[in-house]
Amino acid sequence: QQQVKQSPQSLIVQKGGIPIINCAYENTAFDYFPWYQQFPGKGPALLIAIRPDVSEKKEGRFTISFNKSAKQFSLHIMDSQPGDSATYFCAASRQGFNKFYFGSGTKLNVKP
Amino acid sequence: KAGVTQTPRYLIKTRGQQVTLSCSPISGHRSVSWYQQTPGQGLQFLFEYFSETQRNKGNFPGRFSGRQFSNSRSEMNVSTLELGDSALYLCASSIRDRNTGELFFGEGSRLTVL
Repeated sequence: QQQVKQSPQSLIVQKGGIPIINCAYENTAFDYFPWYQQFPGKGPALLIAIRPDVSEKKEGRFTISFNKSAKQFSLHIMDSQPGDSATYFCAASRQGFNKFYFGSGTKLNVKP
Repeated sequence: KAGVTQTPRYLIKTRGQQVTLSCSPISGHRSVSWYQQTPGQGLQFLFEYFSETQRNKGNFPGRFSGRQFSNSRSEMNVSTLELGDSALYLCASSIRDRNTGELFFGEGSRLTVL
C-alpha cells in the first residue's frame, strides 16, 4: 500500500511555464511534507518543505500548496527553466519518526 | 563541508552472493537512513540508525540488515542476493533523529544482480 501517491509520472512544459505536481496521502499522522529534486546520477536534494499548520509556502520560484482537509499537497514551479529538468519526489513523515514515505516521482522536462 | 559518501558507487554481483555497502554521513550527523530506489517502486525506506541503534525499519526481508558504528558511519548488508535486489541504494544522513530536519542523500551505490 503506497502511503503517498504522486502524479503525473512525467511532465513536459515550455520554458516559462508553470508545472504542477500533485501528491496525496492517507495517514493523518503525517506532519512534515518535503519535496526532493533529483538529477541523473545524483542523490535527491531537499527543495522545499511544509508542515500542515500553513496552507502555502514559497521559496524562490518553488511553491508548495497544502490542503489538510483533502490530504493533498502540490508543488508549483514558477517561470520554469531548462535547468529545472529533473525528477521530483514528494514525501511525508510522522512526528518522532525519521522515516519518510516517498511518492513514485515525476520526471519533468522543461523545453527551451 | 563534505557531503554523504557512499562506497562502492557501482557493483555487480550474482544471485546468491552477499554484498556490503558503506556510508559515511556528514560530520556531526548522527542519524543515518537507507533507501532502495527502483524505477517501479520509487524510494523505499529500509532502516534508520541513530547512535548505533536501529530506530526504524521498513518492510524488507531479513536478508537486508545494517549497522552503525560509533563514528556514525553505517553499513548495510544484503545476503543471498536475488535479481529483484538490483537497485540504487541511497544513504541519507540528518543532524537529528526526529523528522525536524532535512535528509542529505549520498549519490548512491548502484547494485546489479545477475
